[in-house]
Amino acid sequence: DGGITQSPKYLFRKEGQNVTLSCEQNLNHDAMYWYRQDPGQGLRLIYYSQIVNDFQKGDIAEGYSVSREKKESFPLTVTSAQKNPTAFYLCASTSSTEAFFGQGTRLTVV
Amino acid sequence: AQSVAQPEDQVNVAEGNPLTVKCTYSVSGNPYLFWYVQYPNRGLQFLLKYITGDNLVKGSYGFEAEFNKSQTSFHLKKPSALVSDSALYFCAVRPPTSGTYKYIFGTGTRLKVLA
Repeated sequence: DGGITQSPKYLFRKEGQNVTLSCEQNLNHDAMYWYRQDPGQGLRLIYYSQIVNDFQKGDIAEGYSVSREKKESFPLTVTSAQKNPTAFYLCASTSSTEAFFGQGTRLTVV
Repeated sequence: AQSVAQPEDQVNVAEGNPLTVKCTYSVSGNPYLFWYVQYPNRGLQFLLKYITGDNLVKGSYGFEAEFNKSQTSFHLKKPSALVSDSALYFCAVRPPTSGTYKYIFGTGTRLKVLA
């Protein structure tokens, strides 16, 4: 089945650590996105990539980094510079007419 | 600035009654319009979309949405609510800008269907 796979489902980070969230898609989509979801705030765009080896900052990129070395993969690194990383992270990819989402990763700082 | 508004944080409806979840947008041109549903700790699932054509769009699980260009609205509806419809609903807009597929999401409306 075609779709988007995010891993892990739950992730715990210690203060000062960098962690990487995985996002893989087999839909052959060029465009991929990372969103952060906090209660009552909807989805906020972190980074997006429209093509391999290119990506753009979204609305809340500070403290995050991404790479897009392969069409299928768009990993997100939450760095120690992100002061409040506890949130639900959603990866998406889009065709020209629809967005498809992964099941999300819940990141918690311990 | 382009935006999507879901004016109600929560909508409560009795099982079997009709439901409406409201969405208005501020985007120039003719955007694509979407509704997604999210269950706890899950990703967003596609419900329906409007691109062009008939203003009444039918989607998954008996949901439909009515596009009103003059009011820039795209309200989600269902004739008879089920308890299992209880979830978080997001309206989204894709501006008609060539070369980008960026979506703008509303803040979500929590639907609670009471038995």
